[in-house]
Amino acid sequence: GQNIDQPTEMTATEGAIVQINCTYQTSGFNGLFWYQQHAGEAPTFLSYNVLDGLEEKGRFSSFLSRSKGYSYLLLKELQMKDSASYLCAVRDPYAGNNRKLIWGLGTSLAVNP
Amino acid sequence: DGGITQSPKYLFRKEGQNVTLSCEQNLNHDAMYWYRQDPGQGLRLIYYSQIVNDFQKGDIAEGYSVSREKKESFPLTVTSAQKNPTAFYLCASSVAGGSDNEQFFGPGTRLTVL
Repeated sequence: GQNIDQPTEMTATEGAIVQINCTYQTSGFNGLFWYQQHAGEAPTFLSYNVLDGLEEKGRFSSFLSRSKGYSYLLLKELQMKDSASYLCAVRDPYAGNNRKLIWGLGTSLAVNP
Repeated sequence: DGGITQSPKYLFRKEGQNVTLSCEQNLNHDAMYWYRQDPGQGLRLIYYSQIVNDFQKGDIAEGYSVSREKKESFPLTVTSAQKNPTAFYLCASSVAGGSDNEQFFGPGTRLTVL
């Protein structure tokens, strides 16, 4: 079956760096997404990885290792507004041309002063 | 401004009543999706549509129905057959082609069935 694992909760301090891990077990691989979701709001896109390596986008970076079925989201210079849930999602390898995603349960990050 | 709208943000219904949630997008996206989000459950796909007049069941379609008569609109009906309809409902859309096109989400509708 298809499965995505993320830690349920994490805490970090303002100004610090935090790494949120995501492991996936799928029968194929066709791309991985990270989204941010503040409480009661819609998820917003952060990053997309399909090849191995690190994708950097400002304070946020995302890493992928396809051989290990592993990704992480790295948040630098944490700010209070980064307190949110971070969702990992992989494209369904059986989805063909459609854009179905398999979602993790999300990691709730609390940034403390 | 392009985007996805869902209305209303909060909706209350009595048990046994059908209710339709609206989703409209002006992003010219072919694909649209409906998700349900419950605490601790993550996003679960209800229905999705890749093109007008076509849609497929997601993982939890029972008790729900959709239509896709226009490219811009993908309304979701929560029927009385849905056993536990109280949840946060999210609509999303994406470009149909390409591999890296992310899904854009609407602001969501929080449905409470009393």
